[in-house]
Amino acid sequence: AQSVSQHNHHVILSEAASLELGCNYSYGGTVNLFWYVQYPGQHLQLLLKYFSGDPLVKGIKGFEAEFIKSKFSFNLRKPSVQWSDTAEYFCAVIGGSQGNLIFGKGTKLSVKP
Amino acid sequence: KAGVTQTPRYLIKTRGQQVTLSCSPISGHRSVSWYQQTPGQGLQFLFEYFSETQRNKGNFPGRFSGRQFSNSRSEMNVSTLELGDSALYLCASSYGGEANEQFFGPGTRLTVL
Repeated sequence: AQSVSQHNHHVILSEAASLELGCNYSYGGTVNLFWYVQYPGQHLQLLLKYFSGDPLVKGIKGFEAEFIKSKFSFNLRKPSVQWSDTAEYFCAVIGGSQGNLIFGKGTKLSVKP
Repeated sequence: KAGVTQTPRYLIKTRGQQVTLSCSPISGHRSVSWYQQTPGQGLQFLFEYFSETQRNKGNFPGRFSGRQFSNSRSEMNVSTLELGDSALYLCASSYGGEANEQFFGPGTRLTVL
């Protein structure tokens, strides 16, 4: 079965620090990859997605992610975080015949002002 | 365009009761997916409906069921509630094509006492 692993449960950073959140998936075939964000009290929103093409994907609010097929990874990055980036981040995959999103357990990001 | 709406936003039930949750997708979207979000298990896929037919199903017991109406609105039913069913239930809609972006609603917070 497909699965998604997010390495960090809770990350605490100061403003202006760089961010990298790890995500690994288990499916060996063609995958579509997503990062969603859930701000406190708000619903899940799509940050970025990868379907094909350039493995470096840019999303909203300065976030980007790199798909590395050989490592089954899709890590999320941001060069300089802001207090408003405090949220929970979810990596998700759709692979093969599955039409549904398989989510990682999420990473809580706390940014100290 | 109005987003995905879910009603009610909060529900408190007791063990053994049943509950029905409702989801109205974004206009034009024909696919509705349901997810359960808990602190321990994260986001887990329940089922997906497309054009009134269940297209995909997760690994949940038969107490969890759903349906979709001709206007794409969807309902989810949980019978014989258990304490462990306490969760945030999220609905997501999409156009329904392969790996279409899913847009999430705010969720229904179900508490089972």
